[in-house]
Amino acid sequence: QKEVEQDPGPLSVPEGAIVSLNCTYSNSAFQYFMWYRQYSRKGPELLMYTYSSGNKEDGRFTAQVDKSSKYISLFIRDSQPSDSATYLCAMKGAGNMLTFGGGTRLMVKP
Amino acid sequence: DGGITQSPKYLFRKEGQNVTLSCEQNLNHDAMYWYRQDPGQGLRLIYYSQIVNDFQKGDIAEGYSVSREKKESFPLTVTSAQKNPTAFYLCASSLGGRSSGANVLTFGAGSRLTVL
Repeated sequence: QKEVEQDPGPLSVPEGAIVSLNCTYSNSAFQYFMWYRQYSRKGPELLMYTYSSGNKEDGRFTAQVDKSSKYISLFIRDSQPSDSATYLCAMKGAGNMLTFGGGTRLMVKP
Repeated sequence: DGGITQSPKYLFRKEGQNVTLSCEQNLNHDAMYWYRQDPGQGLRLIYYSQIVNDFQKGDIAEGYSVSREKKESFPLTVTSAQKNPTAFYLCASSLGGRSSGANVLTFGAGSRLTVL
């Protein structure tokens, strides 16, 4: 079993929909949680960064961490075609390397 | 603008050849990383370096080598010993130490290596 599990998709939604992307993990030592967005043939770029449990909002994006369930989510409101990309979750504990999920490919159709 | 430059963007290699991928950063970051990305497998860590003249193996270091002679540069050599080298290679950097910035990676645009 992988340390971080992420549904590969593709997830196809109409423009304006609310998108929910999720990751589950098994290592209870993870404290730092990140979401990266990766456009085709490009490097990932940081989208959201949260520490421990709770919610964080930035514009149309909300990151949610539930450490008790070992589950993190990224919500995208009013999705746009420009949101079409692969979304990677990443997480780490203190003093070790990031562990990435496999990525979910999102397609937002006009 | 500060960032990470990877070159070449695309590279073709014949079996048995070594190739070197370049990674240069002007972010003044102490730590640098090399990842390999294959479809559906996420990013896997090849090597990382937290300071000049020092580097450590990641999860899949076999068949790869690196050097860190300058803070700005962290080239990766894919040797002929790497059995399945066709992949997308990503270089990244971060602040060093235990600051929260050390958790955040900045990535380059990647280099796609194809073995013919």
